[in-house]
Amino acid sequence: RKEVEQDPGPFNVPEGATVAFNCTYSNSASQSFFWYRQDCRKEPKLLMSVYSSGNEDGRFTAQLNRASQYISLLIRDSKLSDSATYLCVVNPPPNYGGSQGNLIFGKGTKLSVKP
Amino acid sequence: DADVTQTPRNRITKTGKRIMLECSQTKGHDRMYWYRQDPGLGLRLIYYSFDVKDINKGEISDGYSVSRQAQAKFSLSLESAIPNQTALYFCATRGTGVDYGYTFGSGTRLTVV
Repeated sequence: RKEVEQDPGPFNVPEGATVAFNCTYSNSASQSFFWYRQDCRKEPKLLMSVYSSGNEDGRFTAQLNRASQYISLLIRDSKLSDSATYLCVVNPPPNYGGSQGNLIFGKGTKLSVKP
Repeated sequence: DADVTQTPRNRITKTGKRIMLECSQTKGHDRMYWYRQDPGLGLRLIYYSFDVKDINKGEISDGYSVSRQAQAKFSLSLESAIPNQTALYFCATRGTGVDYGYTFGSGTRLTVV
């Protein structure tokens, strides 16, 4: 099982749609979780952290299911400006695989919002 | 000013040339990283440093070297560039503590011809 796995997409949705991205991770002892957004040829930028109780920021809702090792991101009322690649990022336990706790990135899910 | 600054933004170089990519940060963080990104392969870690005297290889360090000149500066060198090192390179920094994510620089697009 890959350390962090995401559906690569692309997800093509109309403006105003609700879209959900899923991510699974392999290490049950992972400590913290994030969603990043990356525009084409630009740097990844932190979209939101993911907390056990779930958290919301405007149109964006992140959920964590530790039992299933599953993270989700829900975008409501999609805008054209939401078009980007969304990266699921996991902070593994210290010394996991020699990584010393460096963050592990999924390969991203591409979203394209159409008029 | 950006929290993490990378120079140059774009560079075209010839096979066999030595090239240095520079990174500086104003976050005051000890941890700094170099990643490369290729289409379909995601972000791959080249080197990372937890302080000036602590430098570690990542998953794809062959053909690269780094120097941590100060807490705020971390440079990446390609000693003898080859075409398959053509990629988008990102520097990042991170605070300590599990809830910290990375802050990335805006990237260097490197083309080796």
